[in-house]
Formats: sequence, structure tokens, C-alpha cells
Amino acid sequence: ELKVEQNPLFLSMQEGKNYTIYCNYSTTSDRLYWYRQDPGKSLESLFVLLSNGAVKQEGRLMASLDTKARLSTLHITAAVHDLSATYFCAVRETSGSRLTFGEGTQLTVNP
Amino acid sequence: DVKVTQSSRYLVKRTGEKVFLECVQDMDHENMFWYRQDPGLGLRLIYFSYDVKMKEKGDIPEGYSVSREKKERFSLILESASTNQTSMYLCASSLFGTGIYNEQFFGPGTRLTVL
Repeated sequence: ELKVEQNPLFLSMQEGKNYTIYCNYSTTSDRLYWYRQDPGKSLESLFVLLSNGAVKQEGRLMASLDTKARLSTLHITAAVHDLSATYFCAVRETSGSRLTFGEGTQLTVNP
Repeated sequence: DVKVTQSSRYLVKRTGEKVFLECVQDMDHENMFWYRQDPGLGLRLIYFSYDVKMKEKGDIPEGYSVSREKKERFSLILESASTNQTSMYLCASSLFGTGIYNEQFFGPGTRLTVL
């Protein structure tokens, strides 16, 4: 059974600071997704990571994937208040279409 | 733009009622999914479907059933609602197969309260 764990689950940070959210998963996967959810809203796709060593960047967010370590990171650079949201990683098993989600990391960026 | 819509944003029902949650997608996606989201538990898969009239149980199917009579529509049914089914329900869709991204696109969610 595929398990996906994120840490931290709660993150309060100051504007301008850097931080990393970690996503560990338990079995072989061929792709990993990061989603963002604003309060009361649905999930929005941020990144899709397909292969070992993949790195994708969008604005102040950068995601990377290490398939050997079964680890993905979401790095936040110089945080701003607009990044406050809950971030989920989701992992797809090598076969099939279903995703397994982590618990989510609730990020609050304070002025 | 992929669009996934859900029939209600908020729903209040009584214990024992039969509840229908509807989801419609307009991008001709083969796969459709129903999740429930609860604080601290992330998203948990209830059921999914990869074709019309096909369904597969997810991780927490007990107390739920689904219907997919048309490709664009996937319904979640609570046969007899209970208070522990109070939750946010999210529908998603994606293309079938091992396409490059195959990301799931989510609807806005239905917050169901069972009294």
C-alpha cells in the first residue's frame, strides 16, 4: 500500500524567509504532483514531476524529485503573504490512474 | 480550460436521508474520481471510474455508491447519510492511460453537513 507523508503539517513563517516542505512516499512511483488549496477552495495543480532529478520552478516555488530516496521537496523562496495556503503532494503508482495524497501542509506567511 | 463542476457548494441533510452529489466535466476525460477531505487526513479516495458504467472502490467506499451512466457525469450516492459523513467532497477528472502529465483536475467541492 502506497503511503505518502508530508512534513511539516503546519508551517508559520515570516515574509521574506525561505523554507522547504518535504514529501516522502513508500513505493515506486512514476510521477509526483504538487497541488495548492486556498481556504474554502478546491485544489489547483502546481507541478508535475516525472523523473528522477526533475526540478520545476514557478515564481517563488520550486519543486524537485528524488525517486531513489522517494522524496520530493517544495522550496519556498522569500515568502510572501499570497503564498499562504495548504499544499498537497500526491503520488501516482507506476500502474494505474489513482493518486495517493499526503496530509497537506498548511502554510501561513506572516507580515 | 478543463472545467469540473459540482452540483452544490453547500448541502445540509438529515441522518438517514439519501444524498446525491453530482459531478460533471467538459473535457472528455475517461477517469473520474470522488474524494472526501477531512482536516489532518488529506484527501481520501472513495470511488473512481475509468469508463462509463465502470467503477472501482477506493480506500474508503463503505457507505457510498457511485453511478456513471454518461462519460461526463459521475455521481456519488450516500444511501443513508450519517453524521460521520459530514465532510468536504471533491470530484476530479483526468485522462486515461500513461500520458505525460495525467494530472487530475478538481471541482470546487461540496461541503456536506449531516445533522
